[in-house]
Amino acid sequence: GAVVSQHPSRVICKSGTSVKIECRSLDFQATTMFWYRQFPKQSLMLMATSNEGSKATYEQGVEKDKFLINHASLTLSTLTVTSAHPEDSSFYICSARPLAGTYEQYFGPGTRLTVT
Amino acid sequence: AQSVTQLGSHVSVSEGALVLLRCNYSSSVPPYLFWYVQYPNQGLQLLLKYTTGATLVKGINGFEAEFKKSETSFHLTKPSAHMSDAAEYFCAVSGSARQLTFGSGTQLTVLP
Repeated sequence: GAVVSQHPSRVICKSGTSVKIECRSLDFQATTMFWYRQFPKQSLMLMATSNEGSKATYEQGVEKDKFLINHASLTLSTLTVTSAHPEDSSFYICSARPLAGTYEQYFGPGTRLTVT
Repeated sequence: AQSVTQLGSHVSVSEGALVLLRCNYSSSVPPYLFWYVQYPNQGLQLLLKYTTGATLVKGINGFEAEFKKSETSFHLTKPSAHMSDAAEYFCAVSGSARQLTFGSGTQLTVLP
């Protein structure tokens, strides 16, 4: 149980285009989902927290207009990287928290974004 | 506010030897503590967690960790390393905001 999927697992896009990454909780409902970014050989940095049906809360330094997050249902959150540039190339990981009041997060397998 | 310090970005052990990965935390509220493992190009898998109660927690794959409040530590151990344990390990703390703050990670290498 508690499986989180991400799609796509890898994506290559040209500079200036937008790319959407999906995060789904497959066997539970997630009131809260989180988006992280991980650079090579570094830790995970929280980008934003999204709650179903409300606007995402972005961490300091994360451009909300560049990284659009939508949490339209209790099982799906999407991250859209708009007008991507090579410096946006990274490993993006989502996680989902099943119930309000719990601390545990279940992580997706990650999406490798390469912007050429 | 909370933070996590993982001592040693790289740890090497021989197969069969004790694994000890160090984690110290700082938290203004009673912490919830986690250890995650990450294999290359994959997401994070939960090894174990401490919430309340017993301070020695056992996780998957033979790992365990002990919460020591007086030392603000949550070190991860395994009595006998296996080649398949080679991976990146992250310690994380969750505070009142229920967000995870991760340490910088420790790369574990297991030597044959």
